[in-house]
Amino acid sequence: QLVQSGGGLVQSGGSLRLSCAATGFTVNTQFMSWVRQAPGKGLEWVSVIYVDGTTYYADSVKGRHSISRDTSKNAIYLQMNSVRPGDTAMYYCVRNMPGGGYVFDYWGQGALVTVSS
Amino acid sequence: EVVLTQSPGTLSLSPGERATLSCRASQRVTGSHLAWYQQKPGQTPRLLIYHASSRATGIPDRFSGSESGTDFTLTISRVEPDDFAVYYCQLSGSSSLFGPGTKVDV
Repeated sequence: QLVQSGGGLVQSGGSLRLSCAATGFTVNTQFMSWVRQAPGKGLEWVSVIYVDGTTYYADSVKGRHSISRDTSKNAIYLQMNSVRPGDTAMYYCVRNMPGGGYVFDYWGQGALVTVSS
Repeated sequence: EVVLTQSPGTLSLSPGERATLSCRASQRVTGSHLAWYQQKPGQTPRLLIYHASSRATGIPDRFSGSESGTDFTLTISRVEPDDFAVYYCQLSGSSSLFGPGTKVDV
């Protein structure tokens, strides 16, 4: 299970951190990603953290957002900096299915981020 | 850069009918790395199919996936009222790319 927290209203140019706590597995043994969905739109992959700590980002957030994890809390995070109105979306924490590449088999409940201009 | 196209945009059906949803990739997809997700209004997406034709845990067998070259198909053999939702295909190999979705409604 993935339980998310964070989200809310933030001004353009500001920062926000999303959290995602996992139960039933340990986050440092799985690939973990963030996926977002703008209001009324489709799904967009945002970022991934591999078991070895390697991270990758979508071009739309590269250099502004960063993914991390805390093994003591069994959680992952998305630090969102220099946010823009285009970052307004529901953000989902997801687990990459073991051996499945970027197949997402478990999803958090989502956290809504609204960026005001 | 690979592009995924889903058709139709909206599929209007009655319960009991067969649903055929298409996902076309602009380039060959190696390793059958194509997944399908279902999203009902106000809910989190749910994995249905991975590796083009493998059903995820707990998914009823009325859902099936197939591939032919760059064309992938999600079939719902007999649509039930609970199946009315938006369906997304996704390239899922070494990166992630979602299609724009197909809405299945009454």
